[in-house]
This record gives sequence, structure tokens and C-alpha cells, in this order.
Amino acid sequence: QQQVKQSPQSLIVQKGGIPIINCAYENTAFDYFPWYQQFPGKGPALLIAIRPDVSEKKEGRFTISFNKSAKQFSLHIMDSQPGDSATYFCAASMAASGTYKYIFGTGTRLKVLA
Amino acid sequence: DAGVTQSPTHLIKTRGQQVTLRCSPISGHKSVSWYQQVLGQGPQFIFQYYEKEERGRGNFPDRFSARQFPNYSSELNVNALLLGDSALYLCASSRAGHSRGTEAFFGQGTRLTVV
Repeated sequence: QQQVKQSPQSLIVQKGGIPIINCAYENTAFDYFPWYQQFPGKGPALLIAIRPDVSEKKEGRFTISFNKSAKQFSLHIMDSQPGDSATYFCAASMAASGTYKYIFGTGTRLKVLA
Repeated sequence: DAGVTQSPTHLIKTRGQQVTLRCSPISGHKSVSWYQQVLGQGPQFIFQYYEKEERGRGNFPDRFSARQFPNYSSELNVNALLLGDSALYLCASSRAGHSRGTEAFFGQGTRLTVV
């Protein structure tokens, strides 16, 4: 019940395309949903995050869509660029037993072709 | 402001040895969490420390331990290393311990290789 399922595993798009990465969860106690971008050999970098009382959030070229009833959320990257080529992780977090931890998806490796 | 700093960046150890990894959180952040990221997977929660107290522990054996110091820096110790402990160990810094929607910022990680 604490899993976050992420798809697709990998994605290739042309420059200017709009890659979409999807995540699904089961536990309705999750209350915060961040997305992280990770380049090879680096730590994950916080990209954008959303709370379940909001259906959409935009920051620059990145948009999160959130469907609370379906327990799904997705990341859209507008006008994708080769520099966006990285691995993207969704995560969900909640407070439990005095701690606050993140449950990560398995990652999506995105390649944007020039 | 400096981000989350971890040391060392790379480490090679032999099976059975012990290792200590270090993390300095962002200035003003009082919570440090440790995650293990195996190649090709998402990070897995190991520990959270807040105000020098352990607040949570993931599904890891007792060979894994950690502590947080008065300046909020933290160490992760792993004893009796196994080949399966080879991974990128990430430290995450956050302002609060267990508040709703706490943003976590990750360091660049320590790449541990056990041979």
C-alpha cells in the first residue's frame, strides 16, 4: 500500500515534444507529491511538487496534473529540450509514526533528441 | 547558501568492512534523512533524524546506524559490508522533521562500491 508505481520506464521524444510521465499510488494518507530530476552521478534535484488539494501546478515548462479520485498524478514537460534528458522520479510522502519519509517510484529515463 | 554536502563522493570497501558516510544539511535545516539508491531504482528510505533524535527507520538491517550531531550534520554507518550494500547513498535535508509537505533537498550522494 505504500508503493508508488511509475510509468513508462523509458521515454524518447523529439525536441519540442511533450513527454508525459505517470505515477499511481494506493495509500490515501499521502499528502505531498514531489517530482525529482536526476542526472547521472548526481543526487535527485527537486523539480516541482503538488499537494492533493490542487489539481494542477505549473512551474516554467513543468506541469503536474493531479487526479485525487483516481490516485494518479503526472508530469508534463512542455517544449522539451535535449538538456532535459535525465531520469525523473515521482515520490509521495506522509507523516507516519513520528517520521516523514518519501516513497519513490522506480524512475523514468527520458531522452530528448535534438 | 551551500546546498547539502556529502563526503566522500566515492568509496571502495571490501566485504566485511565498516564504512562511515557524512552529510551536512542546508543551513537552517534541522532534519536529515538517509536514502539508499541501487542502480536503476528509486531511492529507498533508511533513516530520518530531527533535532538529533531518530524519528524513523526504513526496512534495513541493524548493520545500518546513524546519528545527528548538535550542528545538525549526520553520519551513516554500515557495518559488516555486503556486496549488496553497493549503492548511491543520499542525504536529504529539510527544514522541519515531520510537517506536512516538507520539501527535501538531496546531496550529490556517496557512491559506495563493495568488492
